[in-house]
Amino acid sequence: GAVVSQHPSRVICKSGTSVKIECRSLDFQATTMFWYRQFPKQSLMLMATSNEGSKATYEQGVEKDKFLINHASLTLSTLTVTSAHPEDSSFYICSARKSLANYGYTFGSGTRLTVV
Amino acid sequence: AQTVTQSQPEMSVQEAETVTLSCTYDTSESDYYLFWYKQPPSRQMILVIRQEAYKQQNATENRFSVNFQKAAKSFSLKISDSQLGDAAMYFCAYRSASLTYNNNDMRFGAGTRLTVKP
Repeated sequence: GAVVSQHPSRVICKSGTSVKIECRSLDFQATTMFWYRQFPKQSLMLMATSNEGSKATYEQGVEKDKFLINHASLTLSTLTVTSAHPEDSSFYICSARKSLANYGYTFGSGTRLTVV
Repeated sequence: AQTVTQSQPEMSVQEAETVTLSCTYDTSESDYYLFWYKQPPSRQMILVIRQEAYKQQNATENRFSVNFQKAAKSFSLKISDSQLGDAAMYFCAYRSASLTYNNNDMRFGAGTRLTVKP
């Protein structure tokens, strides 16, 4: 089956620092990866779509300079939260798609970010 | 833009009983996929069931089945013989079947929190 590993599962960082979250497809090549943000008791909101080898497409209202997404290989996408602030504290989830024709998306286990 | 609406923030069911979670969506596309995901307290998203819009037959996975009404843009989830382990947040999701990179992400409803009473 398709497995997506997301790391770290929890991270606490100080305001003003940067934190990187990794999303890896372990047994398949992911042409596209999606990054979602989920506030407590709310739904998943798409932040950005990243295709391997090209720039990420950000949703309206998401600051691309604050949430840096890199999809340098077919198995790894990273989300870097730069100059983190307490309001960036949230649950971040990635999902990966194997190919355009593959309707099955696999989700990572999520990262709980707390900025203090 | 496609939107997904779940009008039931919370539902509860007695163990072994049946419960139906509602979902409606709005789209101008004719070909798409619909999903129900379960998110337990661990926050891991677990696929429960999926439906291709071109299929008239309702999808079924063991105790889980859907009532897909394409004209009404309705996609409800029925859980039969509810178990304690079914307690979780349930999200309805939509995905275009268009084979392009754009608009191919998954759009989620607000979620329904299901409680199962012993």
